Amino acid sequence: QKEVEQNSGPLSVPEGAIASLNCTYSDRGSQSFFWYRQYSGKSPELIMFIYSNGDKEDGRFTAQLNKASQYVSLLIRDSQPSDSATYLCAVNIGTSYDKVIFGPGTSLSVIP
Amino acid sequence: DGGITQSPKYLFRKEGQNVTLSCEQNLNHDAMYWYRQDPGQGLRLIYYSQIVNDFQKGDIAEGYSVSREKKESFPLTVTSAQKNPTAFYLCASSISATRGDGGYTFGSGTRLTVV
Repeated sequence: QKEVEQNSGPLSVPEGAIASLNCTYSDRGSQSFFWYRQYSGKSPELIMFIYSNGDKEDGRFTAQLNKASQYVSLLIRDSQPSDSATYLCAVNIGTSYDKVIFGPGTSLSVIP
Repeated sequence: DGGITQSPKYLFRKEGQNVTLSCEQNLNHDAMYWYRQDPGQGLRLIYYSQIVNDFQKGDIAEGYSVSREKKESFPLTVTSAQKNPTAFYLCASSISATRGDGGYTFGSGTRLTVV
C-alpha cells in the first residue's frame, strides 16, 4: 500500500525560529509533491509544490526534495504565530491527480 | 474573485436520509474532486471528475454518489448506505488532471453531522 507519513506533532517552536516539517513516501514512482497549510476548522491551502530534487524557495518557505531517500521537507524561516496550523504533505503518484495521497498532517505551534 | 463555493457550511443528517453537498467553481478548472477528512487522518478521495459527464470512484466511494452535468458544478450525495458519514467534506479543483499544474484549490468545506 502506497503511503505518505508525517510526524503528527505537535511541533512547537519559538517565534523567529526555523520550523522543519518532514514527510516520507513509499512509492519511488512519485512525481509531484505538495505542502498544504490547514488552519483549525478551515480547508487546506496550497503553499508549496516541488517536482525536482533539490530546494525550492518562496519567501519564508523552502521545500526540499530528495527522491533517492523518498523524503520531502518544508522549512519555515522566521516562524510567526500566524504559521501555527497543521501542514499536510501530499504526493502525486504517477501522472494523474487521481493518485494524490495525503499524509495525516503535522501540527505546528509557534510560541510568541 | 475566482474560487470554489461549498454549501452548506454545516449540515445535519438524520438516520436513513440522503443529503446533497453543493460544490461550484468559477476557476474554469477541468478536474474536480471530493475528499473526506476525519480527525487525525489525512484526506481520503471519494470521487473525482476530469471532464463533464464523466467521473471515477476514489478510495472510499461506497455510500456516496456524484454527478458532473456542468463544468462548474460537482455535487456530492451522501446516501443512507454510508454508515459513518460524520466528517468534514472538502471539494477541490485543479486546472487539469495531469501533473504540472500545481495542485488543488479547495472550497471552504461542509461539516456533516449525523443526528
